[in-house]
Amino acid sequence: GENVEQHPSTLSVQEGDSAVIKCTYSDSASNYFPWYKQELGKGPQLIIDIRSNVGEKKDQRIAVTLNKTAKHFSLHITETQPEDSAVYFCAASKPSTGKLIFGQGTTLQVKP
Amino acid sequence: EAGVTQFPSHSVIEKGQTVTLRCDPISGHDNLYWYRRVMGKEIKFLLHFVKESKQDESGMPNNRFLAERTGGTYSTLKVQPAELEDSGVYFCASSLGTSRTQYFGPGTRLLVL
Repeated sequence: GENVEQHPSTLSVQEGDSAVIKCTYSDSASNYFPWYKQELGKGPQLIIDIRSNVGEKKDQRIAVTLNKTAKHFSLHITETQPEDSAVYFCAASKPSTGKLIFGQGTTLQVKP
Repeated sequence: EAGVTQFPSHSVIEKGQTVTLRCDPISGHDNLYWYRRVMGKEIKFLLHFVKESKQDESGMPNNRFLAERTGGTYSTLKVQPAELEDSGVYFCASSLGTSRTQYFGPGTRLLVL
């Protein structure tokens, strides 16, 4: 069935360093890939998304890359700050469906 | 503008009891989704409403779960009777029209003892 694998499950970096989270999806028909950030006690918040007709997208310190051939996509956070500490989820969905298939989540800790 | 709201925020019940979760989507959003995260695992899709109709209920685990969205506004998810494995965080999300962007609520944390 459809699934999304996400790595690593936990990531600890020093403030100012970069963080990279990687995901692999199984269904080649997937064409929409959002990333969500979940802070303690809150629901997931969309931080960036990418569609399959684009290879890279950037928004300030956050960037996402997509390799359709390898069915990989990654989240890159540069100049990390303590407030970036949260659980990050990648997801994928196919055309004509709203159903999101999520990865297992990555707990990012940014040490001051 | 208010975001997606969910009630209650927490619920602790005993095995065999009934619990009803409520979700109020962002006003005007015709798409409403239910998801669940169990024991720190991935967030799993349960079902998708378009207005009052069930568009996709492929993720509903079994017939102990009943979702409704009468009138196409708020939605309820009833678990009857609850089992231990139903414990987890239940999220609701909404989106507008053909937009792929889903806005999530804060979740309901359900603990079945």
